[in-house]
Amino acid sequence: DVKVTQSSRYLVKRTGEKVFLECVQDMDHENMFWYRQDPGLGLRLIYFSYDVKMKEKGDIPEGYSVSREKKERFSLILESASTNQTSMYLCASSAGTAQETQYFGPGTRLLVL
Amino acid sequence: AQSVAQPEDQVNVAEGNPLTVKCTYSVSGNPYLFWYVQYPNRGLQFLLKYITGDNLVKGSYGFEAEFNKSQTSFHLKKPSALVSDSALYFCAVRDGGTYKYIFGTGTRLKVLA
Repeated sequence: DVKVTQSSRYLVKRTGEKVFLECVQDMDHENMFWYRQDPGLGLRLIYFSYDVKMKEKGDIPEGYSVSREKKERFSLILESASTNQTSMYLCASSAGTAQETQYFGPGTRLLVL
Repeated sequence: AQSVAQPEDQVNVAEGNPLTVKCTYSVSGNPYLFWYVQYPNRGLQFLLKYITGDNLVKGSYGFEAEFNKSQTSFHLKKPSALVSDSALYFCAVRDGGTYKYIFGTGTRLKVLA
């Protein structure tokens, strides 16, 4: 059974803190993605990676960075958390071809105070 | 540019009645179309996808979707709704020329007993 796991289900951080969200997939997928989900806005792509050490900006990369040192792991970093980064963060992975399904982790609900 | 529209924020339907959740899309190349469902505090689960071939696609939990190229639509349907179908539904499109998936804003389905 395919599996995408995220390091935390809930996180509470203070403004200005550095925040790490980690995602691990066990399907040997080439592609990995980070989204944020906000009511009424759907899913917005922050960053994606199509190979180890490769990354591309999505639609809303400002205030975020990512790291992919190993194929199975994709980390999202908030360099200095702000209250407008309070959101649900979803990680996903997919195999390399365009018609492949994305598989999602359970999500991390981040609250920045 | 790619885009997906889900024109209804919420759809209410009585248990046992047929349901339809609407989705229209815009892509420059051949579309790969997906439906996902999200239950409260969970990640997205794959329901079905259209890649090529038969315009009627069958998926999980008795759901199906009809691809209509002339109307650029991919509506999700189920002949008989269950209360347990109540959830948030997302339509997504992927252009074969990119790695990116574009998601709609989601439609909340409420099935009334």
